[in-house]
Amino acid sequence: AIQLTQSPSSLSASVGDRITLTCRASQGINSALAWYQQKPGQAPKLLIYDASSMESGVPSRFSGSRSGTDFTLTISSLQPEDLAIYYCQQFNTYPFTFGPGSKVDIK
Amino acid sequence: QVQLVQSGAEVKKPGASVKVSCKASGYTFTSYYIHWVRQAPGQELEWMGWINPNSGATHFAQRFHGRVTMTRDTSLTTVYMELSRLTSDDTALYYCARDKGGVATSALVYWGQGTLVTVSS
Repeated sequence: AIQLTQSPSSLSASVGDRITLTCRASQGINSALAWYQQKPGQAPKLLIYDASSMESGVPSRFSGSRSGTDFTLTISSLQPEDLAIYYCQQFNTYPFTFGPGSKVDIK
Repeated sequence: QVQLVQSGAEVKKPGASVKVSCKASGYTFTSYYIHWVRQAPGQELEWMGWINPNSGATHFAQRFHGRVTMTRDTSLTTVYMELSRLTSDDTALYYCARDKGGVATSALVYWGQGTLVTVSS
């Protein structure tokens, strides 16, 4: 199975900061990667699909990119409501594995 | 609007089976795959498999082969996930989620509210 490694596992940042989360795939997955945001007590919410396509209704401060097997989710200006765990998921190869998540706290 | 509404929480004994339902509304039921994802308490998400509501075809993660069944009732626009031979490791929140659609699955767009399954003697 393809393994996804996310870093950092957690971070604390201030409102207005630019933060970057990374998801690394153990082998090539083309651009078949999605990013989700999961707030406490809620189901995951899709943010980005196909590595860099923004889902409708998602604030423009979220963006995704790919470089080989490294994928990044960037929040350009962190907001209080962005407190959540962020997961990546690959859709290139079965099983469609998730990363372990990156927890984002607000200072 | 698209909605996925799941059945209520379940408590099962080890060795038993559980069947969770997911009723879809707000879109053409047969046009999008439904996936099942679970999340043990405080743990990461785990993809279990999908069902094609149109044909009934399924695909499961290898680790669930032989233990999981996914079915659908098109007249009720509902899909079902049954997991057998439960152990304490199956205690988790089980989600159904709808595929984004297209030629190949690219993301899970709409999610149910989750069904907590607790396995305890």
